[in-house]
Amino acid sequence: AQKVTQAQTEISVVEKEDVTLDCVYETRDTTYYLFWYKQPPSGELVFLIRRNSFDEQNEISGRYSWNFQKSTSSFNFTITASQVVDSAVYFCALSDYGGSQGNLIFGKGTKLSVKP
Amino acid sequence: GAGVSQSPSNKVTEKGKDVELRCDPISGHTALYWYRQSLGQGLEFLIYFQGNSAPDKSGLPSDRFSAERTGGSVSTLTIQRTQQEDSAVYLCASSLSGTVAKNIQYFGAGTRLSVL
Repeated sequence: AQKVTQAQTEISVVEKEDVTLDCVYETRDTTYYLFWYKQPPSGELVFLIRRNSFDEQNEISGRYSWNFQKSTSSFNFTITASQVVDSAVYFCALSDYGGSQGNLIFGKGTKLSVKP
Repeated sequence: GAGVSQSPSNKVTEKGKDVELRCDPISGHTALYWYRQSLGQGLEFLIYFQGNSAPDKSGLPSDRFSAERTGGSVSTLTIQRTQQEDSAVYLCASSLSGTVAKNIQYFGAGTRLSVL
């Protein structure tokens, strides 16, 4: 069965703090893709990153970094030196070949509030 | 436009009425998805279209829900005899064709449906 778990429902930090959003996934496929999306108050889901199951290299993009560990089935997202504009709901998602046909399986999301 | 466009942005209807929600995908994207986002259930897959193939309706919650995609572009999600539990944000996404599991899905801003 496919499943994505984001155990942190809400996180509140003060600006400039670092924050890590956790994501744990379950799949029986050996080939799969993991995604992070950001949903600001405007409501539109914004794509942040895609990672395939064969690439365990961590990735850094500006203040964002992602840590993919197959051994623990985790794909965590860290924001360094958080800013108020980072306030949003963040979703981790899984897509594999055992599911429908590429539809995304989403976690429940983590609401991040960054206070000035 | 450059992104996925959904209309209306908000829809208020009375229980028992039918509603139609529209999605205009990114030009050139042959795959189109509908998702539902509600407080209790998070983001749920509803239906998937790929080119001229028969749609994958495995996520539709009941036979009151249907969707069509005309000319491989614009899609309409129809909910008949709306119920209060249908109140949610309905999100549309599109992606390039090909190996679907890896495709990045780009989302519209959604239609917020309120059933009174």
